[in-house]
Amino acid sequence: KQEVTQIPAALSVPEGENLVLNCSFTDSAIYNLQWFRQDPGKGLTSLLLIQSSQREQTSGRLNASLDKSSGRSTLYIAASQPGDSATYLCAVYNQAGTALIFGKGTTLSVSS
Amino acid sequence: NAGVMQNPRHLVRRRGQEARLRCSPMKGHSHVYWYRQLPEEGLKFMVYLQKENIIDESGMPKERFSAEFPKEGPSILRIQQVVRGDSAAYFCASSWGQAGNTGELFFGEGSRLTVL
Repeated sequence: KQEVTQIPAALSVPEGENLVLNCSFTDSAIYNLQWFRQDPGKGLTSLLLIQSSQREQTSGRLNASLDKSSGRSTLYIAASQPGDSATYLCAVYNQAGTALIFGKGTTLSVSS
Repeated sequence: NAGVMQNPRHLVRRRGQEARLRCSPMKGHSHVYWYRQLPEEGLKFMVYLQKENIIDESGMPKERFSAEFPKEGPSILRIQQVVRGDSAAYFCASSWGQAGNTGELFFGEGSRLTVL
């Protein structure tokens, strides 16, 4: 059974700092891995999708990497801003490819 | 191009009543997924549907919960005889193909159910 763990659960950093969020999963036979952002009381916004054949994806100040063999993904945020404050969720698909399995998220707070 | 539309955004029900949550997928998407987010917990998969078919309902509670995605109209998540433990945010997502194979899942803003 696939399980997804995100560390740390919460993170507070000053504006401008570079940071890394970690995600680990127990079953390396995954399809895609997707990183989301969730603001309080809101829905999920897709940030980056890494297909199983890829090793990383970049969008603006965000870079996500995938190492299937070790069961890990990282989300790197460069030059953090207060607007980056949110909960970041990592999710991978179950073996059937029909359902995303989510971690509990990392809640990021960036102070100005 | 409108995103995934969910309504109502907020719903209050008394114990024993029925709750109906609606989801219109993104234009061109025929695959719909329902997730539940309980307070202080992560998102949990409930059900995956294509038009007129339930593909995977492994996350659905065995009783009181049902889902449909008719040929015409939105997908409906129905909760009968609600209890306080059903209070949660219910999110709908859609994709063009089966998302595990073809790409991204896009989420709606969620429907927040409160059971009094």
